[in-house]
Amino acid sequence: DQQVKQNSPSLSVQEGRISILNCDYTNSMFDYFLWYKKYPAEGPTFLISISSIKDKNEDGRFTVFLNKSAKHLSLHIVPSQPGDSAVYFCAASSTGSEKLVFGKGTKLTVNP
Amino acid sequence: EAQVTQNPRYLITVTGKKLTVTCSQNMNHEYMSWYRQDPGLGLRQIYYSMNVEVTDKGDVPEGYKVSRKEKRNFPLILESPSPNQTSLYFCASSGTENTEAFFGQGTRLTVV
Repeated sequence: DQQVKQNSPSLSVQEGRISILNCDYTNSMFDYFLWYKKYPAEGPTFLISISSIKDKNEDGRFTVFLNKSAKHLSLHIVPSQPGDSAVYFCAASSTGSEKLVFGKGTKLTVNP
Repeated sequence: EAQVTQNPRYLITVTGKKLTVTCSQNMNHEYMSWYRQDPGLGLRQIYYSMNVEVTDKGDVPEGYKVSRKEKRNFPLILESPSPNQTSLYFCASSGTENTEAFFGQGTRLTVV
């Protein structure tokens, strides 16, 4: 049973436009959420996170939104750049556990 | 530089021949884990360790062993590799709960 779901395997956007990557979770105990970016032949790298006490966290071009009632979070990238092309993983954890539960990933392609 | 180092990066082996993938971190992190990444399945946790001499099974532990004799090292052992263990493996470490995990560069294993 998937606790963290990324229902879009891929997403393609034009350079300069907004990229929106979505993630849903089922475990109501999750209270910390992260996004990782992964380039081919490299390990995942941390991008941005959000605690369940917030509904938005912003870092430069990247903003993560959390809707706890819907058990949904999204990553917005504005403006999108070709260098953002990568696989993005959503992950979640709960207080008292350092275990991260990952989604299957969304491959983002930003076209010049 | 803070990093997680895995070796080897690439490995081709034959069924049944024992192998070890090493993982070392220089951040004095307590929590370490191993993941495998397979197409369409995302990142799945194999084993994790909360501290020295404390290890536990993740979501897909069958066919794997780990040890944590020192804080910095967390090797992954395949006693009798099989072709279904052909995968991309990542080691990760984190300091405390609700913080990001740092990933190694990955080990691409092929079992023939």
